[in-house]
Amino acid sequence: EDKVVQSPLSLVVHEGDTVTLNCSYEVTNFRSLLWYKQEKKAPTFLFMLTSSGIEKKSGRLSSILDKKELFSILNITATQTGDSAIYLCAAENRDDKIIFGKGTRLHILP
Amino acid sequence: DAGVIQSPRHEVTEMGQEVTLRCKPISGHDYLFWYRQTMMRGLELLIYFNNNVPIDDSGMPEDRFSAKMPNASFSTLKIQPSEPRDSAVYFCASTSKGTANRYEQFFGPGTRLTVL
Repeated sequence: EDKVVQSPLSLVVHEGDTVTLNCSYEVTNFRSLLWYKQEKKAPTFLFMLTSSGIEKKSGRLSSILDKKELFSILNITATQTGDSAIYLCAAENRDDKIIFGKGTRLHILP
Repeated sequence: DAGVIQSPRHEVTEMGQEVTLRCKPISGHDYLFWYRQTMMRGLELLIYFNNNVPIDDSGMPEDRFSAKMPNASFSTLKIQPSEPRDSAVYFCASTSKGTANRYEQFFGPGTRLTVL
């Protein structure tokens, strides 16, 4: 059965800290790895990764994929209170099916 | 574009009642996804459509759940009869595989369903 596992489930850090969120996957016919940020409402897209070792970066957020180890990380540097959210990892297969992890709930203390 | 539109935003109903959730995808998008989100299970894919045709409904929990997409601008998710364990936030999302951002799914605001 396809699955996506995220860790930790929850994380509380102080503003300014750097955090690393983990995502492992077991998906048949894997095509891409997706990261979303969910604040109070619907998830919003962050990154899509298809190749190993190529870092995607957007401001203080960055992500990388390891297709050999079936693993991805999302880094957030110099965290701010506005980064508080649930971060969702999802794996897409070649049939366009997307499997989400349960998310990491991140809370940034001022 | 108004984005993905879902209705209702909130629904409270009693066990045994029929529930119909509605979704209008972004115009021009050819993929539509229905998800359910709970604290315990996270975000689960229920079913998705491509060009109005259901492609994979393996995530639909049981026969009480059904989904239709009669045209490119409208989809419904129906639960009949509803049960308390169906209480969740139901999201609809759409995307187009023909654009540069073809992996970016656009989510609607969700319908928060409570079954008493």
